[in-house]
Amino acid sequence: AQSVTQLDSQVPVFEEAPVELRCNYSSSVSVYLFWYVQYPNQGLQLLLKYLSGSTLVKGINGFEAEFNKSQTSFHLRKPSVHISDTAEYFCAVSGFPGGYNKLIFGAGTRLAVHP
Amino acid sequence: DAEITQSPRHKITETGRQVTLACHQTWNHNNMFWYRQDLGHGLRLIHYSYGVQDTNKGEVSDGYSVSRSNTEDLPLTLESAASSQTSVYFCASSAQDSTDTQYFGPGTRLTVL
Repeated sequence: AQSVTQLDSQVPVFEEAPVELRCNYSSSVSVYLFWYVQYPNQGLQLLLKYLSGSTLVKGINGFEAEFNKSQTSFHLRKPSVHISDTAEYFCAVSGFPGGYNKLIFGAGTRLAVHP
Repeated sequence: DAEITQSPRHKITETGRQVTLACHQTWNHNNMFWYRQDLGHGLRLIHYSYGVQDTNKGEVSDGYSVSRSNTEDLPLTLESAASSQTSVYFCASSAQDSTDTQYFGPGTRLTVL
């Protein structure tokens, strides 16, 4: 069965500092990997996704993530965060045999950016 | 612009009542999904549909049902609401391919007293 572990439930960081949100997955098959962001009282919005090819994926709002197959990780990074990046971030995986396009989510990481 | 909407946005109900949450998308997507979001659990899949007349159980389907009579709508019904179903519910849709992005609605906050 597929599963996703987000290693940090909360990450506090100061504005303009770099940040890394960690995500590990387990799956017996090839997977697609996603990062979603949820701003307060809103639905989820796609940040970026890895399907195949280059292991470094760039997304919206200056975020990027690196797929590491040997470590089964897909960590999200941003070199300099803003107050507006305060939100909850979810890592998700999809792929067979779970059924196509079904997402398995991690528990989420709450990013709090302080001035 | 295409969108996905949910109604109501907030709902308070009593234990034992039947409740239906609406989800409507104008993307013309084949795939639709219902998730619940609870602290510490992220989002968990309740039911999903790959097209009209197709419905499938997800990870936490007990006490919930869905039906898909057209492409645009996938209503979620709680047959007899329980306090354990107090949660935030999200609907999502995506196109046919397994690599396609899921687009999420704004959510419905349901409280069962």
